[in-house]
Amino acid sequence: GAVVSQHPSWVICKSGTSVKIECRSLDFQATTMFWYRQFPKQSLMLMATSNEGSKATYEQGVEKDKFLINHASLTLSTLTVTSAHPEDSSFYICSAENRGLREKLFFGSGTQLSVL
Amino acid sequence: KQEVTQIPAALSVPEGENLVLNCSFTDSAIYNLQWFRQDPGKGLTSLLLIQSSQREQTSGRLNASLDKSSGRSTLYIAASQPGDSATYLCAVCEDTGNQFYFGTGTSLTVIP
Repeated sequence: GAVVSQHPSWVICKSGTSVKIECRSLDFQATTMFWYRQFPKQSLMLMATSNEGSKATYEQGVEKDKFLINHASLTLSTLTVTSAHPEDSSFYICSAENRGLREKLFFGSGTQLSVL
Repeated sequence: KQEVTQIPAALSVPEGENLVLNCSFTDSAIYNLQWFRQDPGKGLTSLLLIQSSQREQTSGRLNASLDKSSGRSTLYIAASQPGDSATYLCAVCEDTGNQFYFGTGTSLTVIP
């Protein structure tokens, strides 16, 4: 199978600070990774599509200057929540595309962000 | 745009009962459909994946079916256990791309 590691699992930060979340494909190369967020009792919503070596594509309504995505290598994508505020508190999950397997998409375990 | 609906939103059953969770989607042009489990504060655990050419998949006490033409999938859980309590999400992967569309989930509580 394919493993996607997401770190950290939990993060608590003060309002105004920036938080970086990492998403790594451990045993395959992922040219494309996806970032989702989930508010309580709501479904997962796609935030952006991250392609290795190019700029991320953001979904409508997602502020690209606030949610910085970097996909500098085939095994690592990072999501940085800049100047976090309490309304950014959410559950963030990444997924990575494995074109070598029929399942194609594999998910990280998620990051619970709490902004005080 | 694909819309995914899950019914019921919440379900509470006594231990040992068999149960069915429903998922419907509006566009039958899908690549695959996945059922996930989400425990509070944790990430997703993939339960079953059904390719568009398949009609069902089984894993242990779980059985998922897919009827593309009617835009429906069901997740059957046999002999439910308290440890099955979680939120179950279905997600449809569109045929033309890699985007998943998620349902809002069914919150399952199995009462001991």
